[in-house]
Amino acid sequence: AAGVIQSPRHLIKEKRETATLKCYPIPRHDTVYWYQQGPGQDPQFLISFYEKMQSDKGSIPDRFSAQQFSDYHSELNMSSLELGDSALYFCASSGGETYNEQFFGPGTRLTVL
Amino acid sequence: QKEVEQNSGPLSVPEGAIASLNCTYSDRGSQSFFWYRQYSGKSPELIMSIYSNGDKEDGRFTAQLNKASQYVSLLIRDSQPSDSATYLCAVTTSYGKLTFGQGTILTVHP
Repeated sequence: AAGVIQSPRHLIKEKRETATLKCYPIPRHDTVYWYQQGPGQDPQFLISFYEKMQSDKGSIPDRFSAQQFSDYHSELNMSSLELGDSALYFCASSGGETYNEQFFGPGTRLTVL
Repeated sequence: QKEVEQNSGPLSVPEGAIASLNCTYSDRGSQSFFWYRQYSGKSPELIMSIYSNGDKEDGRFTAQLNKASQYVSLLIRDSQPSDSATYLCAVTTSYGKLTFGQGTILTVHP
């Protein structure tokens, strides 16, 4: 079965640079969630989109923005990167008959130097 | 205090034994409850979902929910070394975002 696709899988940036993370949800899933997981931490909710509209917002810094496009893929844009932004970034999608269940992509490991 | 608390770990059980993982949550409005398994450096993998009071069984896994006590548990029967991972309890309210516990590290030794 098709899963959530995330790209890139690894990303290395310098402080103050920008980064764009992409997420392609499971086909026919209409909701996308972004989570950030620091070392030894549990995943923290950042933001979600339903039918291309922002549906909820969590602890997402103002330096970050995101959107969902007409094909339901989503992008997380991160500017003025800081050392503390180094983390695993997961995208999850939900929809269809198992609407309440979120399925995670493999994640993007962002390292800020 | 975290909104979702899991029993302190790490938890070590011998192969073939039952592993018991516990979780409490503070928001009485929580509607959906999940257990995810996460191997080191990998993404969370959904293994159980439960929405109503009682037990739900799927293979070697049984989830239990008690909304009155705000308590969720996961039992893993016939534990295998491949079950060694971090287990994350997660809950959602009506908006769908997952709130996770801090995770319990399970080690199954041969």
